[in-house]
Amino acid sequence: AQSVTQLGSHVSVSEGALVLLRCNYSSSVPPYLFWYVQYPNQGLQLLLKYTTGATLVKGINGFEAEFKKSETSFHLTKPSAHMSDAAEYFCAVSDLMGGATNKLIFGTGTLLAVQP
Amino acid sequence: EAQVTQNPRYLITVTGKKLTVTCSQNMNHEYMSWYRQDPGLGLRQIYYSMNVEVTDKGDVPEGYKVSRKEKRNFPLILESPSPNQTSLYFCASSRPTGVLTDTQYFGPGTRLTVL
Repeated sequence: AQSVTQLGSHVSVSEGALVLLRCNYSSSVPPYLFWYVQYPNQGLQLLLKYTTGATLVKGINGFEAEFKKSETSFHLTKPSAHMSDAAEYFCAVSDLMGGATNKLIFGTGTLLAVQP
Repeated sequence: EAQVTQNPRYLITVTGKKLTVTCSQNMNHEYMSWYRQDPGLGLRQIYYSMNVEVTDKGDVPEGYKVSRKEKRNFPLILESPSPNQTSLYFCASSRPTGVLTDTQYFGPGTRLTVL
């Protein structure tokens, strides 16, 4: 079965500091990986996704993630945090074992706080 | 504007009182689904629909029903709500099923409290 693990339910950084949110996956087949962001009182919004090809994926708002098969990781980074980045971030993998159901399997989320 | 809408956004109800949470999308998406979000558990899929009149259970379907009579609408029905269904609910939609790399679009969420 596929699964996603996000290390750290809460991460706090200072404004201007590097943001690193960790995601590890488990999959017996090449995974399709996603990062979603949830701002307060809003739905989830896609930040970026990895399907095939280039392993460094750039997303919106200056975020990027690198697919590392050897480490089964898909960590999210941003060089310089802004106050507006404060949100909850979810890593997800497409459920490739469940047929063509388009289901996403989510991690438990990481709440990012940005201190002034 | 392409969007997924949910109503109501907030709902407080009592045990056993039937309720429906509506979901509508204007992107002509075939695939729609419902998730619930609970602290420490992330989002878990309740039900999904691959097209009109085609629905199936997700990972946590107990206590819920859905219907898909029209392409744009996918209501979530709680026939007899219980306190353990207190949660934040999200509806999502995406393009034709089978495109597993496609982006899913989420509604703004419905916060349900069952007393």
